[in-house]
Amino acid sequence: AQRVTQPEKLLSVFKGAPVELKCNYSYSGSPELFWYVQYSRQRLQLLLRHISRESIKGFTADLNKGETSFHLKKPFAQEEDSAMYYCAPNNAGNMLTFGGGTRLMVKP
Amino acid sequence: DVKVTQSSRYLVKRTGEKVFLECVQDMDHENMFWYRQDPGLGLRLIYFSYDVKMKEKGDIPEGYSVSREKKERFSLILESASTNQTSMYLCASSPQATGNEQFFGPGTRLTVL
Repeated sequence: AQRVTQPEKLLSVFKGAPVELKCNYSYSGSPELFWYVQYSRQRLQLLLRHISRESIKGFTADLNKGETSFHLKKPFAQEEDSAMYYCAPNNAGNMLTFGGGTRLMVKP
Repeated sequence: DVKVTQSSRYLVKRTGEKVFLECVQDMDHENMFWYRQDPGLGLRLIYFSYDVKMKEKGDIPEGYSVSREKKERFSLILESASTNQTSMYLCASSPQATGNEQFFGPGTRLTVL
């Protein structure tokens, strides 16, 4: 069965510290991977996708097929990064499977 | 800008009531989705529709049904609401091609008493 694991429910860091949100997946084939973010009182929205290989708001995510991981990283966290983050591989067709989510809190 | 709207932000219903949650998108997207969002469980797909009158079950369809009579509208129906259906419900839409971004509505927080 396809599975997505985000091992940390809560990650708390100080402003300026590096942050890494972990995502491990168990999938057949080669899924496309996404990170979605939900800021307080806002809609869930796409943060980045691995196929575009871009940096969004300073975040990057590297797909490691050997470890089946897609961790989200940022070298210097900002207070406005505080949000709920979801890893989501795209399985067959158009359906996403979401992980349980990690709440990132960036303290001043 | 893609706009996905949901009929209610907050809804309180009683056990056994029939509940309708409505979702409308204005970008002519083929795909529409209903999820429920619970702490620690993330988002779980209830139903998915890839065209008018077409639907597919997601991971947790039990106790729910859906209707898509028009391309822009996707309704989630709780035939007989139960307390374990208390949750945040999110609607999303996306273009047809595989791997496209999903655009989400603001959510409906449903409480079943």
